Amino acid sequence: DSGVTQTPKHLITATGQRVTLRCSPRSGDLSVYWYQQSLDQGLQFLIQYYNGEERAKGNILERFSAQQFPDLHSELNLSPLELGDSALYFCASSTGGGSYNEQFFGPGTRLTVL
Amino acid sequence: GQSLEQPSEVTAVEGAIVQINCTYQTSGFYGLSWYQQHDGGAPTFLSYNALDGLEETGRFSSFLSRSDSYGYLLLQELQMKDSASYFCAVTKGGKLIFGQGTELSVKP
Repeated sequence: DSGVTQTPKHLITATGQRVTLRCSPRSGDLSVYWYQQSLDQGLQFLIQYYNGEERAKGNILERFSAQQFPDLHSELNLSPLELGDSALYFCASSTGGGSYNEQFFGPGTRLTVL
Repeated sequence: GQSLEQPSEVTAVEGAIVQINCTYQTSGFYGLSWYQQHDGGAPTFLSYNALDGLEETGRFSSFLSRSDSYGYLLLQELQMKDSASYFCAVTKGGKLIFGQGTELSVKP
């Protein structure tokens, strides 16, 4: 158990809908990262927040948005959903926000878009 | 662009030693990490090389050569539980850029 929690574990929804994935980092960690893992794309970095502010951006689509709240939990919003958004979404956390920091991954949310 | 290449699959027998290679085409990164992932579970950190050379952590060792744009993960005394996917990743700007992963199958 990494100490990072994600909810929900599974989500099945339809195209055009909106979903919110939630992540709580390890106690004391200030950085939160979001990753998408699909069969054909591997683990893709989406976005990083550090202490409430966006720190780095990766391959995050405009249909997706994220934020980190004052209590440091983070949410990833996806809307409107497309079939290709079906994937595992992982959240990770680390103590710092730059250079190297070991990242601790949550159990993931498996999103299925029908 | 940035890319990391790993073999897609490797098979080895219990008790043996296996090396998983990672070649990359990126620059300006802080270091090379290795993560293990079992069956769609959470990736877990194994090892990190900030400098060239070998880092040893128990049965796992990792190596980096920046001049050769190459690194590897060495697993010794393989156990059945080592069957998993292994990802190399470079740390750049605080984010991890992952390779496509190597699926390791350990046979009895």
